Amino acid sequence: DAKTTQPPSMDCAEGRAANLPCNHSTISGNEYVYWYRQIHSQGPQYIIHGLKNNETNEMASLIITEDRKSSTLILPHATLRDTAVYYCIVSYGSSASKIIFGSGTRLSIRP
Amino acid sequence: DAMVIQNPRYQVTQFGKPVTLSCSQTLNHNVMYWYQQKSSQAPKLLFHYYDKDFNNEADTPDNFQSRRPNTSFCFLDIRSPGLGDAAMYLCATSKDLIQYFGAGTRLSVL
Repeated sequence: DAKTTQPPSMDCAEGRAANLPCNHSTISGNEYVYWYRQIHSQGPQYIIHGLKNNETNEMASLIITEDRKSSTLILPHATLRDTAVYYCIVSYGSSASKIIFGSGTRLSIRP
Repeated sequence: DAMVIQNPRYQVTQFGKPVTLSCSQTLNHNVMYWYQQKSSQAPKLLFHYYDKDFNNEADTPDNFQSRRPNTSFCFLDIRSPGLGDAAMYLCATSKDLIQYFGAGTRLSVL
């Protein structure tokens, strides 16, 4: 079973920051938080991951609370191409770790 | 350039007729995965390989089999497709904590 809880849908205005929340209250000490997204009719795409510290890359920022029970994915300047289903996943950090997808958040970007 | 390649993108088969979906990778990753994704649902892991070690998920039906003849290729065999097996099938590889997905094969069962 997925170990994360996300809102089923959100929307955001183009050009604004999109903040996607995720609860993972049962995360264990050596589990990472991953975010993937899936644009319609495509395979999922990796966005970012983190363990304890906040992370930033060219796509997004990941903010993890100090108790690690929740996190927020931030898309700083959302565009129409960011319309997708966003999945928050917790998994052990090894190459053969399994990804168990939850139901995700459907993000709609409005012009 | 595509790094995880799934062929074909669309596959139509008849009820009960065996079908094979293929996946290849240019990344030389040790681990390969197969997922099933039905309409409006999240991807569901069927099984994965770590090198040649096969790992089946407990709830994957026996109707689904897989082969990995070498590092680059992995196949999904559906022995007797039913109408309920119509779905998108996704292949992925992983290295350094990140999974790389192919574009998927959409299977229709008539």
